[in-house]
Amino acid sequence: DQQVKQNSPSLSVQEGRISILNCDYTNSMFDYFLWYKKYPAEGPTFLISISSIKDKNEDGRFTVFLNKSAKHLSLHIVPSQPGDSAVYFCAALFSSNTGKLIFGQGTTLQVKP
Amino acid sequence: NAGVMQNPRHLVRRRGQEARLRCSPMKGHSHVYWYRQLPEEGLKFMVYLQKENIIDESGMPKERFSAEFPKEGPSILRIQQVVRGDSAAYFCASSPLDRPQGGGYTFGSGTRLTVV
Repeated sequence: DQQVKQNSPSLSVQEGRISILNCDYTNSMFDYFLWYKKYPAEGPTFLISISSIKDKNEDGRFTVFLNKSAKHLSLHIVPSQPGDSAVYFCAALFSSNTGKLIFGQGTTLQVKP
Repeated sequence: NAGVMQNPRHLVRRRGQEARLRCSPMKGHSHVYWYRQLPEEGLKFMVYLQKENIIDESGMPKERFSAEFPKEGPSILRIQQVVRGDSAAYFCASSPLDRPQGGGYTFGSGTRLTVV
């Protein structure tokens, strides 16, 4: 069972515009949600996270929104830059658990110059 | 301060051979997680270890796979009698805390295992 889902395998955006990456989850007991960015042949790099008690967290060009009633979160990148082209993974964890992350399948973002 | 070091970066094994993947966590990190990424999929948790202890191995296949994190030296993920379905990228992450929140993990660059 896929507890964290990213239903869009890919997204293409023009440089300077907004990129919106979406993620849905099924388990309302998740305590934290995280976004990771991954370049080919590299490991995931942490981008931004949000606690389940919040609905928004912002860090520079990156903002994550959490809608608990819809079990949905999104990552907004504004403005998008060509260097943002990568695979983005949404992940969730239970703080009472061993800390293991549950990842979505990933969305490949291409930012065109 | 070196990051999480994984070696080898690429590993080719014939069916039936053994694969050993190594992970040296960041300095000061005593918690190690292993994840596997199959082609076109997200990362899947395999095992969580602290020094000399396996804390959670709920994601490990029941047979052929084992992991250790000895008092001295790197963490090792061992796959015996590899099959083609084991071909994947294996990532290690380390943390200074258990149950890290808000991005407390640092991932290595992974080992790409190809079984021929």
